[in-house]
Amino acid sequence: DQQVKQNSPSLSVQEGRISILNCDYTNSMFDYFLWYKKYPAEGPTFLISISSIKDKNEDGRFTVFLNKSAKHLSLHIVPSQPGDSAVYFCAASATGGAQKLVFGQGTRLTINP
Amino acid sequence: NAGVMQNPRHLVRRRGQEARLRCSPMKGHSHVYWYRQLPEEGLKFMVYLQKENIIDESGMPKERFSAEFPKEGPSILRIQQVVRGDSAAYFCASSPRTPGEQYFGPGTRLTVT
Repeated sequence: DQQVKQNSPSLSVQEGRISILNCDYTNSMFDYFLWYKKYPAEGPTFLISISSIKDKNEDGRFTVFLNKSAKHLSLHIVPSQPGDSAVYFCAASATGGAQKLVFGQGTRLTINP
Repeated sequence: NAGVMQNPRHLVRRRGQEARLRCSPMKGHSHVYWYRQLPEEGLKFMVYLQKENIIDESGMPKERFSAEFPKEGPSILRIQQVVRGDSAAYFCASSPRTPGEQYFGPGTRLTVT
């Protein structure tokens, strides 16, 4: 039962353009969402998070949008840079529980020069 | 402030041996989580601990796996009598509070031969 889904295994974007990564979830108890970036042979690096009381959170080039009714969130990166090439994971947790994160399968983002 | 430390980074064990993975959380973080990533998959929650307490072990296999976070020293994930299917990357994360972002270590790559 995949509660968090990233339906695009890969995405290729031109440098300087906007990268949009999508994530869907099924568990209505989830109320805290995070995006992580991962390079090979390294641990995930926290990027940005959003609580369900908000629908948008911004940090520099990264913006996360949350649509609770659609159970959908997205990460926008603008402008995209070559160093953004990595695997991106979205994760969700239910604050009533133990804060364990449920991860999607990841989307490999490639930024082309 | 040093990040989450994990050692060893790589561990090779023969079937039937024991594997001990260590995790030192970030300074000031009292919440520790262990996740496992199988090849080509997302991270899967295993266990959540606070000092001297297991809070949630719902993701731990029922047999051969155990975890602890003693009052002094690192958190330990122990796998007894390893099998080939235990080969994976094991990541530890720590957090200063819940809910909150979790910061990951570089992982331990376990190979069972």
